[in-house]
Amino acid sequence: AQTVTQSQPEMSVQEAETVTLSCTYDTSENNYYLFWYKQPPSRQMILVIRQEAYKQQNATENRFSVNFQKAAKSFSLKISDSQLGDTAMYFCAFTKAAGNKLTFGGGTRVLVKP
Amino acid sequence: ETGVTQSPTHLIKTRGQQVTLRCSSQSGHNTVSWYQQALGQGPQFIFQYYREEENGRGNFPPRFSGLQFPNYSSELNVNALELDDSALYLCASSPSTGLMNTEAFFGQGTRLTVV
Repeated sequence: AQTVTQSQPEMSVQEAETVTLSCTYDTSENNYYLFWYKQPPSRQMILVIRQEAYKQQNATENRFSVNFQKAAKSFSLKISDSQLGDTAMYFCAFTKAAGNKLTFGGGTRVLVKP
Repeated sequence: ETGVTQSPTHLIKTRGQQVTLRCSSQSGHNTVSWYQQALGQGPQFIFQYYREEENGRGNFPPRFSGLQFPNYSSELNVNALELDDSALYLCASSPSTGLMNTEAFFGQGTRLTVV
């Protein structure tokens, strides 16, 4: 069974600064996908960024980038130039390559301060 | 905003009662998955439906059951409600099973409170 661990319950950052969220996972699979989802108070899960395990290049999406370390089973998210609208819960998630379910971590609450 | 809609948005039920939650998947999506998110935790996979058949189930008792209709909308039914069933229930749709890795879209959830 796969597990996903987020060790930071809460992080705060000043507007325009950078924050990095940690995620580690455990799997015996060689081919899989990793995600970061954002869940604002509206409750809807929004995909922030996605990484395919077979790709060595780290994914980037505007102000969001990841540091994917496959051997260490680590997948951190960096939010650059933080904005007030980035305030939300952030969840790291895993799925097998042909999987039918997402396995989520426990989440990290990010608070962006003006 | 995604095309996945869930109803109702909030619900209060009494222990022992039964509840039905509904999900309309995004147009063109034939796969629906349900997740339970307890307060302060990450979502937990309940089950998935693909073309009206159950296609995978998480560690939930049989009193959690589901349906998928020919139009690919879905229902989650929970019998004999317990206090611990209080949670946010999320529905996610994708174009096909096995494509949860690329194109899963979530609804806004149903907040169920069991008293």
